[in-house]
Formats: sequence, structure tokens, C-alpha cells
Amino acid sequence: DAGITQSPRHKVTETGTPVTLRCHQTENHRYMYWYRQDPGHGLRLIHYSYGVKDTDKGEVSDGYSVSRSKTEDFLLTLESATSSQTSVYFCAISDTLQDSPLHFGNGTRLTVT
Amino acid sequence: GENVGLHLPTLSVQEGDNSIINCAYSNSASDYFIWYKQESGKGPQFIIDIRSNMDKRQGQRVTVLLNKTVKHLSLQIAATQPGDSAVYFCAENAVDGNNRLAFGKGNQVVVIP
Repeated sequence: DAGITQSPRHKVTETGTPVTLRCHQTENHRYMYWYRQDPGHGLRLIHYSYGVKDTDKGEVSDGYSVSRSKTEDFLLTLESATSSQTSVYFCAISDTLQDSPLHFGNGTRLTVT
Repeated sequence: GENVGLHLPTLSVQEGDNSIINCAYSNSASDYFIWYKQESGKGPQFIIDIRSNMDKRQGQRVTVLLNKTVKHLSLQIAATQPGDSAVYFCAENAVDGNNRLAFGKGNQVVVIP
């Protein structure tokens, strides 16, 4: 799993509550990504990071924020969870910016009731 | 697992036979492609990649073929084994220099012992 740990692995939360998912890497890779995976869709990019305190939006960023205060940690926050955010969330890392595969964690299954 | 309910195209293969999984990509400017394997409950796992200056690349028991004329990518698995049962999907780079990948929806491979 390329030294990537996602926590928690499973979470059930209620609509309107804040949720933070954590991605921790031990590879010292500069680039980190958050994706969501839903039936009928390919993996969709939420946010990504070029380095500490350097982040940008992906294609489905509404309702999500991220923070990267250390190279090894990338946090994804749902400020006020909605049922449409029920999904499986994957963190990924890469060591270069171009033409390199992303390596993924094993995901967090989030259910918003 | 994460892919339940996806109703993905399914390829059933007899153990020991060769598998061919196909992918049509969308962006004619894409110049880097990746194949991933995803087992139930796990994150996507990198299998093999290919750059657009090549039309074939081989790995251990896998071969990726790229046809840029028709924007088609295929993954061949030789001597398919039960452990090859998974969802396979392709990804193409977003050619914006940010290593942002666009992922296909995937194909389910079921190996029949």
C-alpha cells in the first residue's frame, strides 16, 4: 500500500455534522490527492496538494476542504456532511508531478445518514 | 466491497486462459496511461503504465497496448489466475502538468477455477 494509512477505515455520521478524514504517508512524497469513488463513476478528484500548505481544488471540491500542515499528513474535512457525500474516499500520493502513477491507500467508507 | 452495485462490464475467464480488458480514452492529447487493479475492500493498485511514444509495454504476465489512432488501450493478462479476479480500470493524464488523472469506470474480471 505504498506506506499510506487512511483513518478511520469506516465511519457513520449524521447529516450536518463535521467529519475529518486523515491520510498519513511514510514515503515522503510531495504530492497528495483525495478522490471519491461512487457506483457508476470513476474515481473523481476532490482536492490535491503540491506540498505543505499548498493545495488546489479538483473536479468535485464543493463541500470539502483540505489541509496539509506536514508533508506526511493530508486531511479532508466535510464541514457539514450531506447524504450525497456518502462514498468511499481514497487518498493517493506521487513523488513526481508528471507521468507517474498515483499510489492509493485502502480507503475510508463514509456513510452519512 | 466498494464496487458492489457498480454493474460494471464483466469478463469471465477460465483459469489459465488469457484475459483482454479494453479501455477507450477520451482525450487525444493525453500522453500517459495507467492500468490499475482494485480488489474488494482495497484501494487501486498500480499494474503498468505506458507513455504515448510507445504502443506496447510488457510487465510480469501483463501487456499494455496503446492505439492512439482510435484512442484505445488494452490490458492483456497471461495465464489468468484466481488472484486476478478484481476490477480493472484505466487512467489517462490530464495534460495540464499537474499529474491529475482521469479514471475510467472499470471492468470486472471474474476468474473461473
